[in-house]
Amino acid sequence: EVQLVESGGVVVQPGGSLRLSCAASGFTFDDYTMHWVRQAPGKGLEWVSLISWDGGSTYYADSVKGRFTISRDNSKNSLYLQMNSLRTEDTALYYCAKATTGWYFDLWGRGTLVTVSS
Amino acid sequence: DIVMTQTPLSSPVTLGQPASISCRSSQSLVHSDGNTYLSWLQQRPGQPPRLLIYKISNRFSGVPDRFSGSGAGTDFTLKISRVEAEDVGVYYCMQATQFPLTFGGGTKVEIK
Repeated sequence: EVQLVESGGVVVQPGGSLRLSCAASGFTFDDYTMHWVRQAPGKGLEWVSLISWDGGSTYYADSVKGRFTISRDNSKNSLYLQMNSLRTEDTALYYCAKATTGWYFDLWGRGTLVTVSS
Repeated sequence: DIVMTQTPLSSPVTLGQPASISCRSSQSLVHSDGNTYLSWLQQRPGQPPRLLIYKISNRFSGVPDRFSGSGAGTDFTLKISRVEAEDVGVYYCMQATQFPLTFGGGTKVEIK
């Protein structure tokens, strides 16, 4: 089955760190650019980061630049998001998404919830 | 950053009637490669987003033909020709022409 499954979301204190994972299956993972997109409770979608198929290129939203690091392990069909210096405004459901060469997101996971609270 | 503005915020629609959502970008979405990377996503309650339309007007696999996209430059529209109960949810436009990728604020489609 073609799917993405996120994990790693927990409750963490402000200033803390967390690593999210996204396990891919059913498609050739290392053919595709992958993204993280988040959604604060009751709010809209916010793009967070992307990584190219080989990990050679990465991009970040200004709101997370310098604090978050995206990475991937193609041998494990897995995408990661290392989140440091977490803030209350990082509280959100974090989705991983697969992107095509046409720059659209054709596959989404169900998300993993990160809550930053003291 | 390119700002994506959607209207209306909410669209109460009678079953079987059409619905239309507008999305305007603060800059042209025509990429230097000639493509316009504007897509539409649907998010049903409690579900992750789902791709409906890509590059303005291309329906994604499995999307019913009652969904259509149109527009050019900075003005884009998603139309549902006859709303069905399963169409309830929030619809987002998204641009991928320029970093950072940005989404519209969303339009909630609900049944009257």
